Amino acid sequence: AQSVTQLGSHVSVSEGALVLLRCNYSSSVPPYLFWYVQYPNQGLQLLLKYTSAATLVKGINGFEAEFKKSETSFHLTKPSAHMSDAAEYFCAVSDLSTNAGKSTFGDGTTLTVKP
Amino acid sequence: DAGVIQSPRHEVTEMGQEVTLRCKPISGHNSLFWYRQTMMRGLELLIYFNNNVPIDDSGMPEDRFSAKMPNASFSTLKIQPSEPRDSAVYFCASSFTSGGTDTQYFGPGTRLTVL
Repeated sequence: AQSVTQLGSHVSVSEGALVLLRCNYSSSVPPYLFWYVQYPNQGLQLLLKYTSAATLVKGINGFEAEFKKSETSFHLTKPSAHMSDAAEYFCAVSDLSTNAGKSTFGDGTTLTVKP
Repeated sequence: DAGVIQSPRHEVTEMGQEVTLRCKPISGHNSLFWYRQTMMRGLELLIYFNNNVPIDDSGMPEDRFSAKMPNASFSTLKIQPSEPRDSAVYFCASSFTSGGTDTQYFGPGTRLTVL
């Protein structure tokens, strides 16, 4: 069975500081990995995804994530936080065997950006 | 594309009443997902369909919940009778299944309050 663990349910950074949101996965087959963002009172939207091509994946709004098989990790980073990055972030996993495109989501990490 | 459309956006009802939530997926997508989000339990997958057929309803909390997808462009989630603990934001998402790399596109959600 697949699963993801997001370390830290709440992360707080100052504006301009590095953002690092942690995600570790568990999968018996090569995984596909996703980061979604949820702004207040909205649905989730895709930030970026890893599909077995380049291990460093660039997404929208300056975010990127690196797939590290040896560490079973897919951490999300952004060099300089903006106030508009305040949101909840979800890591998700699926694979070729996934039935009908189902992804397994983590519990989410709420990012607060202080001025 | 209009994206995933959900209605109503807000629903306030009294305990014991029937509630029907509606979803129109993105045209051409063949998988549809219903999620529930609460502060206590986070994001939960309730049920998902592929080509209008329910694939996994193991997340449906109890028999009071039912979901249908009569055609590729419409799905409903019904709660009968509703209870205060059903209060949550319900999201519908759709995707085009392509071997696990699918991005899920979320609707704006329906905020349900059961008094």
